Amino acid sequence: EMQLVQSGGGLVQSGGSLRLSCVASGFTFSSSWMAWVRQAPGKGLEFVTNINVDDSHAGYLDSVKGRFTISRDNAKNSLYLQMNDLRDEDTAVYYCARDPAYAAFDVWGQGVMVTVS
Amino acid sequence: VVLTQLPLSLSVTLGQPASISCRSSQSLLHSDGNTHLHWFQQRPGQSPRRLIYRVSNRDSGVPDRFSGSGSGTDFTLKISSVEAEDVGIYYCLHGANWPTFGQGTTVDI
Repeated sequence: EMQLVQSGGGLVQSGGSLRLSCVASGFTFSSSWMAWVRQAPGKGLEFVTNINVDDSHAGYLDSVKGRFTISRDNAKNSLYLQMNDLRDEDTAVYYCARDPAYAAFDVWGQGVMVTVS
Repeated sequence: VVLTQLPLSLSVTLGQPASISCRSSQSLLHSDGNTHLHWFQQRPGQSPRRLIYRVSNRDSGVPDRFSGSGSGTDFTLKISSVEAEDVGIYYCLHGANWPTFGQGTTVDI
């Protein structure tokens, strides 16, 4: 069974940092583009960033550029999101997802809550 | 690209059909000949789940009461006979260039 298990959410002060992790199983992680999608409380889904298979290309939502960094460790089947200089508007549930092609996200993590206050 | 879903909220009687529209500000036909428009379901308290990819391809395990159709700028997700487990929020997503979600349509009974 394809699965993504997330960790690392929590409460952080404005200007603080947090690192989210996402561990994959049941599929070939090293061959998969991956992404982070977030959902602010009571709001819709918002694409944040994605990364290609060898960590050589990533795209970022304008509002997080320069503050968030996506990375991966294929040896550990793990995806990360380093979030620095967090702002109140970054408060959301963050989901990791597998992107088989053109954002057709077919596997999702359980989501972790990030609260900036 | 801006995706506009209508209606934003839909109250349906069990066993009755439901239809959700997703309209794009520009044609979603990609240069590769495909249209990368997908549909997701998010049940209360759960992660999103993909239902339909590339307009009309239903995912494995998705009941056949769900169907997707459309082309160009107009797309539709249909539920032929709504069941209680279909309650949730439905999102369309355009996946080419910068992935963009529609606002979501809340379906309740």
